[in-house]
Amino acid sequence: DTAVSQTPKYLVTQMGNDKSIKCEQNLGHDTMYWYKQDSKKFLKIMFSYNNKELIINETVPNRFSPKSPDKAHLNLHINSLELGDSAVYFCASSQDSIYYGYTFGSGTRLTVV
Amino acid sequence: KQEVTQIPAALSVPEGENLVLNCSFTDSAIYNLQWFRQDPGKGLTSLLLIQSSQREQTSGRLNASLDKSSGRSTLYIAASQPGDSATYLCAVRVRSSNTGKLIFGQGTTLQVKP
Repeated sequence: DTAVSQTPKYLVTQMGNDKSIKCEQNLGHDTMYWYKQDSKKFLKIMFSYNNKELIINETVPNRFSPKSPDKAHLNLHINSLELGDSAVYFCASSQDSIYYGYTFGSGTRLTVV
Repeated sequence: KQEVTQIPAALSVPEGENLVLNCSFTDSAIYNLQWFRQDPGKGLTSLLLIQSSQREQTSGRLNASLDKSSGRSTLYIAASQPGDSATYLCAVRVRSSNTGKLIFGQGTTLQVKP
């Protein structure tokens, strides 16, 4: 199936740990994104990569570090997890052209205890 | 700074009703507007994409309109069904670097009662 896939779907971890979320798209899109959905369901962009190059970094703590090994993958690594990091993280992708829409993954629910 | 607002925050209707969800945005300099559906605990499913030069898009029982000059979009759902129950999100694509980014509203949670 053509899609944006994220792993894991659920992640429960203790404060202070380091964790990673992986994202892969097989749609041939050039741009990938990470969005965070908070407890009030509000979605906000965190990062955007275009052909492995970081192009958007939205005032996210530097404990969050995205990595794009190739244009089909965008992983999110989080250091020293805090309670406030608990949220649902969505990966998305889009064509280079501004005239195309976004395709989202199914999300990763991160719970920090 | 672009802000997107969706009204109402929640809506409950009996099955069969036609309904309208509203989305407004503060800056008309958008590339396009996209409506999504989110089921509880699930990801976002794209419903309709309207380019800034377009007035409306239709898909089945869904019709989305866009009035860029007034900063408004509506999502019309005809003959609602219980399976339409979900949260509906609108998002505008705005200029940021060379690819733009989506700015989301906070959604309208719809419940359609049998």
